[in-house]
Amino acid sequence: KAGVTQTPRYLIKTRGQQVTLSCSPISGHRSVSWYQQTPGQGLQFLFEYFSETQRNKGNFPGRFSGRQFSNSRSEMNVSTLELGDSALYLCASSIAGSQGADTQYFGPGTRLTVL
Amino acid sequence: GDSVTQMEGPVTLSEEAFLTINCTYTATGYPSLFWYVQYPGEGLQLLLKATKADDKGSNKGFEATYRKETTSFHLEKGSVQVSDSAVYFCALPAGGYNKLIFGAGTRLAVHP
Repeated sequence: KAGVTQTPRYLIKTRGQQVTLSCSPISGHRSVSWYQQTPGQGLQFLFEYFSETQRNKGNFPGRFSGRQFSNSRSEMNVSTLELGDSALYLCASSIAGSQGADTQYFGPGTRLTVL
Repeated sequence: GDSVTQMEGPVTLSEEAFLTINCTYTATGYPSLFWYVQYPGEGLQLLLKATKADDKGSNKGFEATYRKETTSFHLEKGSVQVSDSAVYFCALPAGGYNKLIFGAGTRLAVHP
């Protein structure tokens, strides 16, 4: 079974631009979560989607948004990019997305560099 | 609030040495606990998990036991290899649907 895939793997943008990242979960998985990884802040939760609905959201500004499609694929969008948005963005999928014990499987990430 | 604390790295070992990476947590109730590993330039891979107190998770020679008395989930391996060089993250679910809280990560470097 194929793992979580993320595209593109690398992106370079300039301040003020916007960017869209894509994530395809493991087949049969309906929950998709997004995380930001930076050297200073570590791994931080952005949001989670299940059946096209955002069920959970981390403490990020409204410039960060996402959506999920009927086939469970998900996209996240960052508008008006800032230098501090440079990070590795990781997507994770799980089968059903309960509140506690579901195991999340991560993709390889998208490395975003903002110049 | 819920939190995870890991020992600071980097941890530098010679091949075949014994490894311990400490992880302690603060949580409401008894959540599942996870160890993830990140190899250079890659995403996170699930290494092992434990779903209840006294459970022992194991994989690829790594082990961790869920200790509710000490609120710990220390990662151990009896004999490390150069290929184990990576960053290791302890994590627990907290704050609603599929939100994982991670420790800061511990970098392990194994030399021949």
